[in-house]
Amino acid sequence: EVQLVQSGAEVKKPGESLKISCKGSGYSFANYWVGWVRQMPGRGLEWMGVIYPGDSDTRYSPSFQGQVTMSVDNSITTAYLHWSSLKASDTALYYCARQYGRNFDAWGEGALVTVSS
Amino acid sequence: QSALTQPASVSGSPGQSITISCTGTSSDVGGYNSVSWYQQRPGRAPKVVIYDVVIRPSGVSSRFSGSRSGNTASLTISGLQTEDEGDYYCGSYVDSTTIFGGGTKVTVL
Repeated sequence: EVQLVQSGAEVKKPGESLKISCKGSGYSFANYWVGWVRQMPGRGLEWMGVIYPGDSDTRYSPSFQGQVTMSVDNSITTAYLHWSSLKASDTALYYCARQYGRNFDAWGEGALVTVSS
Repeated sequence: QSALTQPASVSGSPGQSITISCTGTSSDVGGYNSVSWYQQRPGRAPKVVIYDVVIRPSGVSSRFSGSRSGNTASLTISGLQTEDEGDYYCGSYVDSTTIFGGGTKVTVL
């Protein structure tokens, strides 16, 4: 069974750094793009970008380019989303998802990030 | 690229059929067979119910069907059930990027 297990909820202050994780299992992790999707409170889905674990090729949405960094560690089949300096506007639920063809066929449960002073 | 346009809400009675539209342009929805639909029940992660415009994943009810006309894709839910309540998002994959629609809240009356 394909599974994506995300790290838990985080509460951070503005200016702090954060890395959240997404561990894939049940499939060949290196061979499928992993996407990240933001959902702000009460709002819709926003595509942030994707990373290909096989060679770490990344594609970012223009809205998120320079704001976050995607990375992977194939040895532990885990993808990461990193912020170097959080803002209050980064408060949201973040999903990782496996891209299968042209859609996202498996999703993590989401990681809630709260940024507040 | 702008978000795809969906109605904010659609409602129907149990047993009825409803249709959710997703309007884009010839550069996304109308130009590629790569529209997908996601169901998000309250407090849950999204789940794909249709991909590549018309294909229903294994395990998804046959009450869900997809279609497209020009630059508008549609998701039809027939025989509406209370378990169908939630938010529905369309997505269009173009050149390694995905654009989502703004989402439609489905209410079963």
